[in-house]
Amino acid sequence: DGGITQSPKYLFRKEGQNVTLSCEQNLNHDAMYWYRQDPGQGLRLIYYSQIVNDFQKGDIAEGYSVSREKKESFPLTVTSAQKNPTAFYLCATQRDKARTGANVLTFGAGSRLTVL
Amino acid sequence: GQSLEQPSEVTAVEGAIVQINCTYQTSGFYGLSWYQQHDGGAPTFLSYNALDGLEETGRFSSFLSRSDSYGYLLLQELQMKDSASYFCAVFLYNTDKLIFGTGTRLQVFP
Repeated sequence: DGGITQSPKYLFRKEGQNVTLSCEQNLNHDAMYWYRQDPGQGLRLIYYSQIVNDFQKGDIAEGYSVSREKKESFPLTVTSAQKNPTAFYLCATQRDKARTGANVLTFGAGSRLTVL
Repeated sequence: GQSLEQPSEVTAVEGAIVQINCTYQTSGFYGLSWYQQHDGGAPTFLSYNALDGLEETGRFSSFLSRSDSYGYLLLQELQMKDSASYFCAVFLYNTDKLIFGTGTRLQVFP
């Protein structure tokens, strides 16, 4: 089955520790996105990547880092510089850009990070 | 800055019709999308408006008016399973970013 795998599903970390969230896709989609969701709130864009070895900052990139060494993988590192990292993190892919199409995102199941 | 505003919560009863509004302040975008998210789950795509007007997909319809910077999602014949959060979203020109609205939590009661 084609899809997006995010791991771990739940993660606990102590303050001051870096943590890396995995996002792997076998949909052969070009673009990948990371969003953060806080309870009762919308999705805010952290980073996105349109092609391998290239990525752009979203609206809340501070305290996060990413890499895109392979088309299938787009890991997100939450660094100790992120002041309030407890949140639900969602990875998404997009098949290709369409000037007139819906540009539909397909989401993974998410990773819930709690800082103790 | 770019923003899409939605009411935080809407309630309705089974079988009713409900409208979820989305007002926006953005620069150019390709179209307005709607996503549904059940508690603890991932968002899933519902509908899309590239042009002004109404698009119908089964019990769901979506509307866009660029001149009024406004859109809405209309849900008919509500069912309990429609209880979820709903987000509008736009794909911005030139930046390839999909940004989401603040989200509306819909609660359907028997």
